[in-house]
Amino acid sequence: EPEVTQTPSHQVTQMGQEVILRCVPISNHLYFYWYRQILGQKVEFLVSFYNNEISEKSEIFDDQFSVERPDGSNFTLKIRSTKLEDSAMYFCASSSGSGNTIYFGEGSWLTVV
Amino acid sequence: DAKTTQPTSMDCAEGRAANLPCNHSTISGNEYVYWYRQIHSQGPQYIIHGLKNNETNEMASLIITEDRKSSTLILPHATLRDTAVYYCIVRGGYNKLIFGAGTRLAVHP
Repeated sequence: EPEVTQTPSHQVTQMGQEVILRCVPISNHLYFYWYRQILGQKVEFLVSFYNNEISEKSEIFDDQFSVERPDGSNFTLKIRSTKLEDSAMYFCASSSGSGNTIYFGEGSWLTVV
Repeated sequence: DAKTTQPTSMDCAEGRAANLPCNHSTISGNEYVYWYRQIHSQGPQYIIHGLKNNETNEMASLIITEDRKSSTLILPHATLRDTAVYYCIVRGGYNKLIFGAGTRLAVHP
């Protein structure tokens, strides 16, 4: 069964450092998402991406965050200067159409120290 | 998207059916009911969705009331591996998923 894959599974970084989280969406999917989940809290929407541009973003997704689809397969989330409060599990997701089922990856656990 | 209300937690004996309720009284005509689950801290896993008809797949059944104001997810024979947080989400056709707190289902031997 096709799946969304994410790397790394766990990353520890120092405050102020840049982090890039990588995702390979399901191959025929066109809509891409990033969500995050701080430990013990809800899964929160960050951003959606379609046709090489952001289609929607939440208040969490400020200037420190950016997304990119650098080639035909990868979808990345960059945090420019990490803060302690960025420590969370980050989930990538994709769907084949804007109203179609969204499938999630297993997540990248980011720890900022 | 309409809000949903789910019990905070539920218990179920292994091998029995788990019936997880969800209220969505403000749902509008073009909004779907989606169910996902999250096992420990893994990624949310899609289970099933429906608009107004009952749906069944290999994982579960979804029963939606005629007025669409509530629904029930049924896991017909719960196993220990079904222990998870279950999310009921109402979604407009083109919208992102918005997760609530969900129901923490504990399946015990």
